[in-house]
Amino acid sequence: AQSVSQHNHHVILSEAASLELGCNYSYGGTVNLFWYVQYPGQHLQLLLKYFSGDPLVKGIKGFEAEFIKSKFSFNLRKPSVQWSDTAEYFCAVKSGNTPLVFGKGTRLSVIA
Amino acid sequence: NAGVTQTPKFRVLKTGQSMTLLCAQDMNHEYMYWYRQDPGMGLRLIHYSVGEGTTAKGEVPDGYNVSRLKKQNFLLGLESAAPSQTSVYFCASSYDAGSYEQYFGPGTRLTVT
Repeated sequence: AQSVSQHNHHVILSEAASLELGCNYSYGGTVNLFWYVQYPGQHLQLLLKYFSGDPLVKGIKGFEAEFIKSKFSFNLRKPSVQWSDTAEYFCAVKSGNTPLVFGKGTRLSVIA
Repeated sequence: NAGVTQTPKFRVLKTGQSMTLLCAQDMNHEYMYWYRQDPGMGLRLIHYSVGEGTTAKGEVPDGYNVSRLKKQNFLLGLESAAPSQTSVYFCASSYDAGSYEQYFGPGTRLTVT
């Protein structure tokens, strides 16, 4: 069965620090990749997605992610985090017509 | 355009009680999903539907039933609630199962005592 691994459960950063959250998946075929964000008390919102083409994907709020097929990875990055980026981040993978599979999430806490 | 809505927002049940959670979407999406979110577990798929009148089991279907009588609605039922079903439940919908993203509802926080 397909699986998604997010390596960090909780990341604590100071404002203006750079962010990289890891995501690896197990499926070897064609995949669609997503990062969702859940701000405290809110529902999940799409940050960015990769379907094909340029493996470097830019999303909202200055986030980007890079698809590295050989490493089965889709890491999320942001050069300079803000306090408002405090949230939980979920990587998700979709292949064919199977439902989306989510990672367990990484909680990001940004401190002033 | 309200997107995906869920009712109720909060509910407390006693063990053995039953309830139904309602999800509605106004985007004419074919696919609808029910997830539960638990600390450290991410989102786990309970059931999903690929169109009106169809349902399918997800990763954690036991103890839940669903119905999709109308395209815009997807109901999640708990016949006999258990404390292990204390969770936050999210509904989502998507245009199809291909490359389209899923849109999520605001969630229902359920506590079973």
